[in-house]
This record gives sequence, structure tokens and C-alpha cells, in this order.
Amino acid sequence: DAKTTQPPSMDCAEGRAANLPCNHSTISGNEYVYWYRQIHSQGPQYIIHGLKNNETNEMASLIITEDRKSSTLILPHATLRDTAVYYCIVSLRAGGTSYGKLTFGQGTILTVHP
Amino acid sequence: NAGVTQTPKFRVLKTGQSMTLLCAQDMNHEYMYWYRQDPGMGLRLIHYSVGEGTTAKGEVPDGYNVSRLKKQNFLLGLESAAPSQTSVYFCASSLRGGINEQFFGPGTRLTVL
Repeated sequence: DAKTTQPPSMDCAEGRAANLPCNHSTISGNEYVYWYRQIHSQGPQYIIHGLKNNETNEMASLIITEDRKSSTLILPHATLRDTAVYYCIVSLRAGGTSYGKLTFGQGTILTVHP
Repeated sequence: NAGVTQTPKFRVLKTGQSMTLLCAQDMNHEYMYWYRQDPGMGLRLIHYSVGEGTTAKGEVPDGYNVSRLKKQNFLLGLESAAPSQTSVYFCASSLRGGINEQFFGPGTRLTVL
């Protein structure tokens, strides 16, 4: 599986956009970029995923560079409840010979300030 | 739907004791996983299952055993607990062939003295 690199911590003001970067320079053609977050003491929560196109859902947007070597998760209007550890993970889809393996690094601690 | 539930929420064991952690999901997911998370670290996969009656080793399987006798349940056993197994244990499930969205339980905090 491709390895990812994320900054250890970031700050954001409430109401502003939070932009979380991730480098995955060794990603292979059939690997997806997934983002999960873990709010203190809870189980991780899926946010969004993408292959090569930009994606948006009710929680966030995912921007993937054309060469697929990096991506950015955007929380458009961060709230205090978005304070969490955010994990960028590169993985295959769950099926066939893949069992949906997710390799969690240390992630980025996002702190949203009032 | 309850989603993924874990029993118990907290447990304290003495070295050498045994216990079983229960994970249950009501989403009819084929895949189930057990992870552990140590302070300041990401989750590490212990064992996983791709269907009823099947299990496989993950990254850190030593000292643990698992069973998946029913599709909705995935059990994690510690036969002889050690202080190094003090951790938070998370169970997760996902659909086969899906987008790899794993649904996680609330976790079990285990302390081994």
C-alpha cells in the first residue's frame, strides 16, 4: 500500500475553511484516497474518498492533483465539533483479493478555535 | 440500526487472565475487522474476516485469536493477557465490493495490570 505523509497538527478558526494536505507520491493507479477522522476517544468515521476526480459530499470536499501524488481535504466552514485527528489513507476498494485494508498513520490533529 | 456495537466498554485484567471482546453489526456486512490503538498512534489491524467462518491475520496478530461463527458477530480473544495488550480496541465492518467505508464501533478500553 502507498504510504501517506500528513502534517502532525493544524489550527483553524471557527467558520473558516480548513484545508488538510496529504502527500501520497507512491500511489498506484487502482488505489483510492480515503479520509477518515477520529474525534477524541471515538471510533474513526469515514469522510470521503476519491480516485482521480475531485469529490464533494455533505461533510467535505476532496481535491486530488492531476498526477495523484497529493490531495487536500477541505472542510468548508469548520466548527468546534470538527476538532479531531484526520487520517489520509490510500487503499484499494474492498473486494476481490483486497479485504479493504486500511493503514492508519498518525494523521493530522486539527484544532478548531472559537 | 445500532450499527457496530462492542462489549464491554471497559475492562481491567490481571496478567495471565483471559477474556473475549464481542463485536456485533446489524448492517449485513461481509467484512469485519479488529484494530488496536495505543496512545498517540494510529490504529493497527489485528485480525480480519471476509465472511462467516473465515478469519485472517492482520499486522499485529500475536497474542490474539478470533472467531466468526455468525456473520453479524466477530469475537476477539486474549488467552493470556499481558501488559503490552493494554490498549483501546476498535471493531469495524464494511461491505464486500463496496467503497471501503468501514463503520467503527465505540471501542473497548482494556487495561492489563
